[in-house]
Amino acid sequence: AQSVTQLGSHVSVSEGALVLLRCNYSSSVPPYLFWYVQYPNQGLQLLLKYTSAATLVKGINGFEAEFKKSETSFHLTKPSAHMSDAAEYFCAVDFGNEKLTFGTGTRLTIIP
Amino acid sequence: NAGVTQTPKFQVLKTGQSMTLQCAQDMNHEYMSWYRQDPGMGLRLIHYSVGAGITDQGEVPNGYNVSRSTTEDFPLRLLSAAPSQTSVYFCASSPRRGNLETQYFGPGTRLLVL
Repeated sequence: AQSVTQLGSHVSVSEGALVLLRCNYSSSVPPYLFWYVQYPNQGLQLLLKYTSAATLVKGINGFEAEFKKSETSFHLTKPSAHMSDAAEYFCAVDFGNEKLTFGTGTRLTIIP
Repeated sequence: NAGVTQTPKFQVLKTGQSMTLQCAQDMNHEYMSWYRQDPGMGLRLIHYSVGAGITDQGEVPNGYNVSRSTTEDFPLRLLSAAPSQTSVYFCASSPRRGNLETQYFGPGTRLLVL
């Protein structure tokens, strides 16, 4: 069955530390992959998307994600966390049916 | 452009009441969709539309109706609200249906059914 898994519903990092949010998917066909961010009391906005042009994708606000087919992963990283990065992050996958399946989300807390 | 707008922001209903959640976009997007967001479950697709006059069911359509009479508007109707429909509802739009299309989300409607 096709599924999206985000490991860790809550992640806390210190300001200036590396941010790593994990996303794995289960699919027999190459999917289309997205990361969305949701700030408190707001809708979701796109951080980045994998278009198959390059395995390392750069997004807004210094975030990037690497598609690893062998590991069926699309983890989100940022070298240095900022207080403004505190939000909920969703991995989303299009398994080829032009509909997004969302992960359950990871709430990122930044410790001053 | 205002983007995707949703009204109301917050609503309290009693079980059995009906209501319509409004969604509008001014970007001339063909594709519009409704999601519900529940704690620990991410977003789940309720209904979607690929253009005026065309709608289809998503993952969790039961208890909800939609229509798309214009490109701009995509209202979501709850005919008889149930406590299980307590959730945050998001409307989204994209230029067209497609694997790589970015979806633009509205600010959400928080619904409480007592």
